[in-house]
Amino acid sequence: KQEVTQIPAALSVPEGENLVLNCSFTDSAIYNLQWFRQDPGKGLTSLLLIQSSQREQTSGRLNASLDKSSGRSTLYIAASQPGDSATYLCAVPYYNQGGKLIFGQGTELSVKP
Amino acid sequence: DAGVTQSPTHLIKTRGQQVTLRCSPKSGHDTVSWYQQALGQGPQFIFQYYEEEERQRGNFPDRFSGHQFPNYSSELNVNALLLGDSALYLCASSFSGAEAFFGQGTRLTVV
Repeated sequence: KQEVTQIPAALSVPEGENLVLNCSFTDSAIYNLQWFRQDPGKGLTSLLLIQSSQREQTSGRLNASLDKSSGRSTLYIAASQPGDSATYLCAVPYYNQGGKLIFGQGTELSVKP
Repeated sequence: DAGVTQSPTHLIKTRGQQVTLRCSPKSGHDTVSWYQQALGQGPQFIFQYYEEEERQRGNFPDRFSGHQFPNYSSELNVNALLLGDSALYLCASSFSGAEAFFGQGTRLTVV
């Protein structure tokens, strides 16, 4: 059974700091891993999708890495800004690509001016 | 491209009533999935529709049912509402297993 865990549950940093969010999964036989951002009471915005054959994926100040063998992914945010404050969720497909996504509980990030 | 759109954005229902939520997928997408998200939790998979058929189902009771139309839009129906059904309901669309895109959600409150 696939389980996804995100640590820490909440994180508060000063503006400008580089930070890392962690995501771990129990079954390394994944097709891909997706990172999302969620603002309070809103839907999910896709940030990055890493295929199982990839080690990294970058978009602007965001860099996501994937280590299937250890069951871990990290989301690196460079030069954090108050606008980055949100909940960040990672998810992996269960059983088959394109199937249901198994989500972690998210990391609530607060970037203080 | 309007992306994934959901309606309504907010809804208040009384316990025991029935509710229908709607979702229009992103242009070009053929697969629609529904998720329930309780406060402070990650989304939980309800079911997925592809080619108007339910392809996968999560651990939700039969009170939760759905439908996909020929234009790929979808509905989520919940009967005999319970207080515990209060949550944010999210719709996601994708094309043949590629990246999932989510709508803004429908906030359902059952009183």
